[in-house]
Amino acid sequence: EDQVTQSPEALRLQEGESSSLNCSYTVSGLRGLFWYRQDPGKGPEFLFTLYSAGEEKEKERLKATLTKKESFLHITAPKPEDSATYLCAVQATSGTYKYIFGTGTRLKVLA
Amino acid sequence: DAGVTQSPTHLIKTRGQQVTLRCSPKSGHDTVSWYQQALGQGPQFIFQYYEEEERQRGNFPDRFSGHQFPNYSSELNVNALLLGDSALYLCASSPTGTQKLFFGSGTQLSVL
Repeated sequence: EDQVTQSPEALRLQEGESSSLNCSYTVSGLRGLFWYRQDPGKGPEFLFTLYSAGEEKEKERLKATLTKKESFLHITAPKPEDSATYLCAVQATSGTYKYIFGTGTRLKVLA
Repeated sequence: DAGVTQSPTHLIKTRGQQVTLRCSPKSGHDTVSWYQQALGQGPQFIFQYYEEEERQRGNFPDRFSGHQFPNYSSELNVNALLLGDSALYLCASSPTGTQKLFFGSGTQLSVL
């Protein structure tokens, strides 16, 4: 069964303290892995799409990487405005259109 | 350029009632998906509409139904509401041939 597991569930960082969020996945065939940011009471906001192992994408203080079994979202020198829930999702190649989401990592960055 | 818009933003219903949620996709997008997000959980796929047809359905009972109109807007209907249907309902749109989903802000449904 296709599955996505994210860790840790919650993370508190001091401003400037870099860290990584993990997304482990099991899927019959990977069509794409997606990272979203979600603020309280809002819908998810697209960050990155990764398609194959070894691929990396960057945006401001965020960098996403992909291996055959997991993805990491690296946050460098975070700021309080980076506080949010970060969701990982996969889409399988088996003729499916749905995203399978993890439960997310709640990030809190303290000033 | 307006993004994905959903209405209403909040809704309170009682058990057994029926509810209709509405979604207007981002301009140029012809595919609409609906997700349910319970508190503290990731979004769960309900179904996807394309060319006014339900293209794929997740593991949700028949109480959940939908519709897509010729202008690509969509509705989600839930009958015989249960307490467990309380959640944030998210609509997402995408243009044909891409996998990137654009989400609306959702409708927060509370069933009492």
